[in-house]
Amino acid sequence: GAVVSQHPSRVICKSGTSVKIECRSLDFQATTMFWYRQFPKQSLMLMATSNEGSKATYEQGVEKDKFLINHASLTLSTLTVTSAHPEDSSFYICSASGRGGLYGYTFGSGTRLTVV
Amino acid sequence: KQEVTQIPAALSVPEGENLVLNCSFTDSAIYNLQWFRQDPGKGLTSLLLIQSSQREQTSGRLNASLDKSSGRSTLYIAASQPGDSATYLCAAPLYNNNDMRFGAGTRLTVKP
Repeated sequence: GAVVSQHPSRVICKSGTSVKIECRSLDFQATTMFWYRQFPKQSLMLMATSNEGSKATYEQGVEKDKFLINHASLTLSTLTVTSAHPEDSSFYICSASGRGGLYGYTFGSGTRLTVV
Repeated sequence: KQEVTQIPAALSVPEGENLVLNCSFTDSAIYNLQWFRQDPGKGLTSLLLIQSSQREQTSGRLNASLDKSSGRSTLYIAASQPGDSATYLCAAPLYNNNDMRFGAGTRLTVKP
């Protein structure tokens, strides 16, 4: 079945530093990748949608200069949290969709970011 | 904009009970509907995917139904087990919009 690998699973960083999270589709071509954020006891909130080779589309209220998304290939998308602050501490999950969305959506295992 | 609602928010049942989780969505032009399971601090595991042209899908003790006209989906879990304890999320991507909108989830606890 379709597998999405997300790395790292946990990261602790100092306030003001940047953190990069990787999302890889291992056995299929992910034409579209999505990045979600989840605060404790809340549902997932879509942050941005990225299509391979083009700029990401950000949801309202999500700062594109703070959350940099790169989808340079059909198997890799990265989310970089720049100048992280404690309020950025959250659970970040990526998901990937194959061509036409026929395969549904496969999720990564998530990244727990803690900014101290 | 798609709005997804899940009822109940939390559910606690004794082991062995059959139960139903509900999901409703405001825009019926969905491409498909998916049910996921999320364990605490973990990512999502896809349980069932129902294409928009389908009415239901079954996998083991799980059965999901879809009624697009009424904007509803239900997840039926038969003979619940403590290992079923998790948060269950549904999501309904729109036909011309490739993103998914999630409900807030139902937190299920199955007591031994």
